[in-house]
Amino acid sequence: DTAVSQTPKYLVTQMGNDKSIKCEQNLGHDTMYWYKQDSKKFLKIMFSYNNKELIINETVPNRFSPKSPDKAHLNLHINSLELGDSAVYFCASSQDKRVAGGPTTFGQGTRLTVV
Amino acid sequence: GENVEQHPSTLSVQEGDSAVIKCTYSDSASNYFPWYKQELGKRPQLIIDIRSNVGEKKDQRIAVTLNKTAKHFSLHITETQPEDSAVYFCAALYSGNTPLVFGKGTRLSVIA
Repeated sequence: DTAVSQTPKYLVTQMGNDKSIKCEQNLGHDTMYWYKQDSKKFLKIMFSYNNKELIINETVPNRFSPKSPDKAHLNLHINSLELGDSAVYFCASSQDKRVAGGPTTFGQGTRLTVV
Repeated sequence: GENVEQHPSTLSVQEGDSAVIKCTYSDSASNYFPWYKQELGKRPQLIIDIRSNVGEKKDQRIAVTLNKTAKHFSLHITETQPEDSAVYFCAALYSGNTPLVFGKGTRLSVIA
């Protein structure tokens, strides 16, 4: 009965590789988000989708590409991974029918380590 | 754009005492102010939020106050317990089409 689930929980990979993180929510929420939390615990929005439509794209390198096949899923694909991409990535969702607001429910996070 | 300052960065209190975390925001048009709690190694959790048409909101031992004139809002935790130990983040939202801006967090330690 997990509300927002993301996989994998841990991801260790070499520089230059391409990897994906998957996220699914079963809350019926209309808006989904990707956040990056760096080593200093600072939370920063990367993307927000409302009912499969991209709402927010916060100056993220174009190596990061979100994909929302339906409003319950928001996946994150990262090309040519760099050391600076190491962080915890959180997927989140909220019941915002019109536009993106603030997340109400977070996934458990994916700790990405690039070596 | 919106900027959110959060103080203090760390806070230690004795069990049973109160804890107060303060945030200031820059954009007077901001209208939604949530607070999140993140325990060590866990996901952030929304614990309380307030909108700009309300001055105070309470939920059991936690309360949030908003001063729109001064552009600051605060989280108050009373009768603190060890399980309140976590990092707390404030945030502010200008409009639904702009991203929620987070403060840098306050690490609260409740000493038994």
